[in-house]
Amino acid sequence: DGGITQSPKYLFRKEGQNVTLSCEQNLNHDAMYWYRQDPGQGLRLIYYSHIVNDFQKGDIAEGYSVSREKKESFPLTVTSAQKNPTAFYLCASSGSQNSPLHFGNGTRLTVT
Amino acid sequence: AQTVTQSQPEMSVQEAETVTLSCTYDTSESDYYLFWYKQPPSRQMILVIRQEAYKQQNATENRFSVNFQKAAKSFSLKISDSQLGDAAMYFCASLSNFGNEKLTFGTGTRLTIIP
Repeated sequence: DGGITQSPKYLFRKEGQNVTLSCEQNLNHDAMYWYRQDPGQGLRLIYYSHIVNDFQKGDIAEGYSVSREKKESFPLTVTSAQKNPTAFYLCASSGSQNSPLHFGNGTRLTVT
Repeated sequence: AQTVTQSQPEMSVQEAETVTLSCTYDTSESDYYLFWYKQPPSRQMILVIRQEAYKQQNATENRFSVNFQKAAKSFSLKISDSQLGDAAMYFCASLSNFGNEKLTFGTGTRLTIIP
């Protein structure tokens, strides 16, 4: 079955360490997105990519980095510069302009 | 820039009854799309319903329907015959049809179903 896979489901890191969240899709979608979800704040866009080797900053990109070397993959790195990294991270993809987003199951990152 | 506002952090409804979740949005675009997503305790985001702004007819999907008031920039979700499985966070979202296609979400409404 086609879908979006995020791994791991839960991730724990020490403060000051960079950590990379995986997002893989086999839907042949061009566009991929990373959102952060915090209680009471809905989903906020971190980065997005509409095509391989190209990506754009979203509304809260500071402290994060991404790459899009392959169509299927859009990993997100949470760097030590991100002041409040503990959150739930959702990856999504879209097949065409204005198509609904398909979401992964998310990764819960806890930094202590 | 687009903004989406959900003014009801929490709502509850008796099982089998009808409930309406409110959403207002602001956009300078004339052509855009609106969505309602459901997030159950599993945290998987599930598309509930979609509305194209150029269509006057309100979208419906089984027990789910919307009341789209373009002039008022209002996009409410009505759930009829509420079921226990409808309990979830519901997010309203907007997508511009021009420029960078970024989905903008509201802060969500937590819906509780009372047996």
